[in-house]
Amino acid sequence: DAGVTQSPTHLIKTRGQQVTLRCSPKSGHDTVSWYQQALGQGPQFIFQYYEEEERQRGNFPDRFSGHQFPNYSSELNVNALLLGDSALYLCASNSGRGETQYFGPGTRLLVL
Amino acid sequence: GESVGLHLPTLSVQEGDNSIINCAYSNSASDYFIWYKQESGKGPQFIIDIRSNMDKRQGQRVTVLLNKTVKHLSLQIAATQPGDSAVYFCAENGDSGAGSYQLTFGKGTKLSVIP
Repeated sequence: DAGVTQSPTHLIKTRGQQVTLRCSPKSGHDTVSWYQQALGQGPQFIFQYYEEEERQRGNFPDRFSGHQFPNYSSELNVNALLLGDSALYLCASNSGRGETQYFGPGTRLLVL
Repeated sequence: GESVGLHLPTLSVQEGDNSIINCAYSNSASDYFIWYKQESGKGPQFIIDIRSNMDKRQGQRVTVLLNKTVKHLSLQIAATQPGDSAVYFCAENGDSGAGSYQLTFGKGTKLSVIP
């Protein structure tokens, strides 16, 4: 039973560029959430997708957008990258009826 | 500026001793709580959860205690092992009313086990 997978594992971008991160949820899960984790801090909620729609959003600017596909996988897009966007980006999944979110290994993004 | 997040609370324990990690949560309406373990370079790993209608739940070598009166959670690890060394986060999961479950994380505690 595959857990949550994310790609790529590491990424280096420069300011102003755009990035797309990908996530495949745990088998049987239909809800995907994205979190940003700065060094030394806890994860911060970005948004959650269910039935291919953004269901809830945290306190992040519109530069952060996402998408969920019919197979429940998801993408996180960040436009006009800033140095402060450097962080570990985590994807978590759960089933629509469950609350426990299971996390992937994350994508480490470095913006230069 | 805010720099608390760069200096995680640290707990050092001797191998074989019991560990207690504490967490204060903020939302009195939260009805579900989770403890996660995060090893260096990895994503958070689920350890144990508890609902607000309970005050104690036990797993394998771990126990979570919930005190709703003072909005406090604790994670107890019995017979701590070197493999338990990691950062531990508590998270509260409050239904926003839209049927979604946003996780709000605490700042984390770094557990170091001394062999």
